[in-house]
Amino acid sequence: DGGITQSPKYLFRKEGQNVTLSCEQNLNHDAMYWYRQDPGQGLRLIYYSQIVNDFQKGDIAEGYSVSREKKESFPLTVTSAQKNPTAFYLCASSNSQFSYNEQFFGPGTRLTVL
Amino acid sequence: GDSVTQMEGPVTLSEEACLTINCTYTATGYPSLFWYVQYPGEGLQLLLKATKADDKGSNKGFEATYRKETTSFHLEKGSVQVSDSAVYFCALSSFSGGYNKLIFGAGTRLAVHP
Repeated sequence: DGGITQSPKYLFRKEGQNVTLSCEQNLNHDAMYWYRQDPGQGLRLIYYSQIVNDFQKGDIAEGYSVSREKKESFPLTVTSAQKNPTAFYLCASSNSQFSYNEQFFGPGTRLTVL
Repeated sequence: GDSVTQMEGPVTLSEEACLTINCTYTATGYPSLFWYVQYPGEGLQLLLKATKADDKGSNKGFEATYRKETTSFHLEKGSVQVSDSAVYFCALSSFSGGYNKLIFGAGTRLAVHP
């Protein structure tokens, strides 16, 4: 079955540590996205990538970094510079740049900073 | 900038009641409109979409019509079930700045009781 996988489902981190969240897709999509979701709020875009080796900052990129070395993979690193990293992180992908194509979401990773 | 406004929740209904969740948007150009659903602890799933004015999206008994004159995309269902309990997100997609961007509302939590 095609889809998006994210791992781990739950992640705990001590303050001052960097942590990397995995996102893999086998949908052959060019575009991939990272969102952050806080309780009772909508999703906010962290980073996006339209093609391999290219990515752009979204609305809340500070304290985060990404890479896109393979079409299937778009890992997100939450650095120690992120002041409030505890949140639910969602990865998504889409078929093309056209606005009528929906984004497909992974199951999410819940990050808790201890 | 573009934005989406949804009615605040939670919405609490009895099984078989009618559902309407209001969604209005502000956008330049001609966005596509989406409803996503999120079950507890999971990622988002596309529920339905509409890509141009007067289009009606439908799925699993849910419907929404793209109303350009009122800039609305209200979600409706004639008879809800307990299994419909989830958070519903209205979103618009516009192609700007060289990429396909999804803008979400804050989400509306629906609780259906037997």
